[in-house]
Amino acid sequence: NAGVTQTPKFQVLKTGQSMTLQCAQDMNHEYMSWYRQDPGMGLRLIHYSVGAGITDQGEVPNGYNVSRSTTEDFPLRLLSAAPSQTSVYFCASSSDGRTSGNTIYFGEGSWLTVV
Amino acid sequence: AQSVTQPDIHITVSEGASLELRCNYSYGATPYLFWYVQSPGQGLQLLLKYFSGDTLVQGIKGFEAEFKRSQSSFNLRKPSVHWSDAAEYFCAVAPPGGTYKYIFGTGTRLKVLA
Repeated sequence: NAGVTQTPKFQVLKTGQSMTLQCAQDMNHEYMSWYRQDPGMGLRLIHYSVGAGITDQGEVPNGYNVSRSTTEDFPLRLLSAAPSQTSVYFCASSSDGRTSGNTIYFGEGSWLTVV
Repeated sequence: AQSVTQPDIHITVSEGASLELRCNYSYGATPYLFWYVQSPGQGLQLLLKYFSGDTLVQGIKGFEAEFKRSQSSFNLRKPSVHWSDAAEYFCAVAPPGGTYKYIFGTGTRLKVLA
């Protein structure tokens, strides 16, 4: 009963490096999304996907890329890491509302520090 | 603009005392409403949700929330707080129907005194 799995849990990057945060879900959910959590700001939507091959920008997309080649996977790429991207990242998935009624399921988070 | 407001950044209560965490939203129509809890270093766990019907919803861990349409509020309550309830609590809204766009409040951090 894995749910939403994120890797890695912790990562330290140097400014300018690139990396990919992995996210996989085994619930056959159509919707997947990435949020970042910063102190005092709650969770902000970075990118989302409504199905394989379809992605779109959320509230804070700059500096990040995503792709959705399969229903299960939704990786988040940092193209050139900046200290402002130091944050906790959460991947989430949800259904189209016809089954589980919009509940969003979160991964356990990835703590990223850019130095 | 759509938004969620949690006016209390921090709340401290004594163990055994009652708790109420406030949540107000601004939305064009009645949204779906959620409360999540986040323990330190952990992900977010769903406490309860409101879609329609009875405006008083029961959740896990003894929590409940009441939807008040006239006040655009969805406050979370617990009659007797336990030390293990210390965590950060997030209110969230989403448009009715299948969705990926949740709007979260900024969170309320709960401290419980022994």
